[in-house]
Amino acid sequence: ETGVTQTPRHLVMGMTNKKSLKCEQHLGHNAMYWYKQSAKKPLELMFVYSLEERVENNSVPSRFSPECPNSSHLFLHLHTLQPEDSALYLCASSQGDLPLFDYTDTQYFGPGTRLTVL
Amino acid sequence: RKEVEQDPGPFNVPEGATVAFNCTYSNSASQSFFWYRQDCRKEPKLLMSVYSSGNEDGRFTAQLNRASQYISLLIRDSKLSDSATYLCVVNSGGYQKVTFGTGTKLQVIP
Repeated sequence: ETGVTQTPRHLVMGMTNKKSLKCEQHLGHNAMYWYKQSAKKPLELMFVYSLEERVENNSVPSRFSPECPNSSHLFLHLHTLQPEDSALYLCASSQGDLPLFDYTDTQYFGPGTRLTVL
Repeated sequence: RKEVEQDPGPFNVPEGATVAFNCTYSNSASQSFFWYRQDCRKEPKLLMSVYSSGNEDGRFTAQLNRASQYISLLIRDSKLSDSATYLCVVNSGGYQKVTFGTGTKLQVIP
């Protein structure tokens, strides 16, 4: 399935590096999401964009910076990360029609980027 | 009480067995429910959506009990390929009200 793609699939970076994660969706959806998944924890919502406008930021540290240039692309820019930021970063998309997402709104996930911060 | 609670397992069942997991939720205003399947080191994939009392798709049946605020997933005739973690997701209205459980791990044994 190639509905939602993410690159890179694996990333190892030092605490002083700057890197970016990329997500692209081919489903014609209006909303895109970044999630963090750590071992034995539920998925943590980081950012939500709808029609390229950020609509949710769940108190994520500023070392994570999202960018949504259009409804098909989503980036997560990383800088001065900490070892505890090591996790699987998942991108998702959904139909997400405004003003309030319908309760049937279903999210589809990309394969994720497994990030290791040394 | 957690918003969405699942028994982490693992549930170890023999091939061909029937297994059921429960997922409890705390928000009585929850409108829709989803089961996702997540294989080791992969992304969650949608298995089933539930908007009313339940849903069935082949060997998989989801049932919703609003009075007791839980949703169950029943897998009949378990296959080795069913081994995965099953995530319960609850939508209480809108993108900001989507909550994921920690998942239940299923291991089907030959």
